[in-house]
Amino acid sequence: NAGVTQTPKFRVLKTGQSMTLLCAQDMNHEYMYWYRQDPGMGLRLIHYSVGEGTTAKGEVPDGYNVSRLKKQNFLLGLESAAPSQTSVYFCASGRLQQPQHFGDGTRLSIL
Amino acid sequence: TQLLEQSPQFLSIQEGENLTVYCNSSSVFSSLQWYRQEPGEGPVLLVTVVTGGEVKKLKRLTFQFGDARKDSSLHITAAQPGDTGLYLCAGRGNRDDKIIFGKGTRLHILP
Repeated sequence: NAGVTQTPKFRVLKTGQSMTLLCAQDMNHEYMYWYRQDPGMGLRLIHYSVGEGTTAKGEVPDGYNVSRLKKQNFLLGLESAAPSQTSVYFCASGRLQQPQHFGDGTRLSIL
Repeated sequence: TQLLEQSPQFLSIQEGENLTVYCNSSSVFSSLQWYRQEPGEGPVLLVTVVTGGEVKKLKRLTFQFGDARKDSSLHITAAQPGDTGLYLCAGRGNRDDKIIFGKGTRLHILP
């Protein structure tokens, strides 16, 4: 009964370091999403994918890259982390016209 | 740009009281979802409303979609401490299938 699994759950980085957040879903969903959640800002879409091998920009894509090499996985990369990227990151998956299923988030701090 | 305004931002009431949370926009949505999020977890879907004027009930929670599909409300009867959490509304675009989240209402029910 895994659903959407995000790894890692917590991470602390120094400015300029790089890292990749992994999202895995076992529901055979076509659509996958990466959001960031900041106090007072709600959920903001970073990038999304409508299928294996495809990605698209969301509302706040700058400083992030994504890849969807396999249908079940959606990776979010930070090439050179900045303090402004300190946030809680959520991955979600779903089908066309259907609600999204969310993971439990990755809490990322950039020092 | 489509926006969803949620009100109030914060609400703290005594156990047993009733409350209503609002989600408003100037845009038309094809559907609207309500999620609840607890600390350290991802949002969890409560309900989806699709038809203008639609009313759905989930135990003590009543959800209504406006006739014009631009707004929605969540009414909780006899609130319980277990209702405490962040309530998010999310609208799906009428033309482009994009999902827009409101900033949320943080609800605290005092025992």
